[in-house]
Amino acid sequence: GENVEQHPSTLSVQEGDSAVIKCTYSDSASNYFPWYKQELGKRPQLIIDIRSNVGEKKDQRIAVTLNKTAKHFSLHITETQPEDSAVYFCAAIVGGATNKLIFGTGTLLAVQP
Amino acid sequence: DAMVIQNPRYQVTQFGKPVTLSCSQTLNHNVMYWYQQKSSQAPKLLFHYYDKDFNNEADTPDNFQSRRPNTSFCFLDIRSPGLGDAAMYLCATSLYSRATDTQYFGPGTRLTVL
Repeated sequence: GENVEQHPSTLSVQEGDSAVIKCTYSDSASNYFPWYKQELGKRPQLIIDIRSNVGEKKDQRIAVTLNKTAKHFSLHITETQPEDSAVYFCAAIVGGATNKLIFGTGTLLAVQP
Repeated sequence: DAMVIQNPRYQVTQFGKPVTLSCSQTLNHNVMYWYQQKSSQAPKLLFHYYDKDFNNEADTPDNFQSRRPNTSFCFLDIRSPGLGDAAMYLCATSLYSRATDTQYFGPGTRLTVL
């Protein structure tokens, strides 16, 4: 079945620096890859997603890249701010026709002011 | 502006005492999901409903059941909670079950088993 690996598990950056979180997936039929941000004690919230027909998507300070051949995708946050501190989960859809999400193990991002 | 609502936010139960968690939505979405999230782990799908059609994950313990009496409400029943069932339980919804349909999460119910 689908397996999603996420690295690193923790990431500490200085305010203003960039942060990169990487994920790999195993199911070549996966075609949708959302990223969720979860602040302590709060709900996961979708921050950006990418479909398999594009290689990159950007939304202000957040960007996601997808390499289908290598089966990996990455989240890039530029000009980090303390409010970016949270746990970030990548996810992949199982196969191409279901809506079952398999989540990565999460990255705790700490932005030091 | 709450769209996916979960009650209660915190639930304490005793070992073996049945407990029910509630989820409601104002989005009129067709699909409702229940996830279990243990401390420092990723959410894990337990089951979901497409309208009234129930879809159970193969590795979801029999101890966990669900009911969806109408479009707006979905319940998670834990028949005999064990210590290992202590977790955050997240409800989510999506409009349809297509791969690209965004899932919207509720705030979760944190279950403690004594």
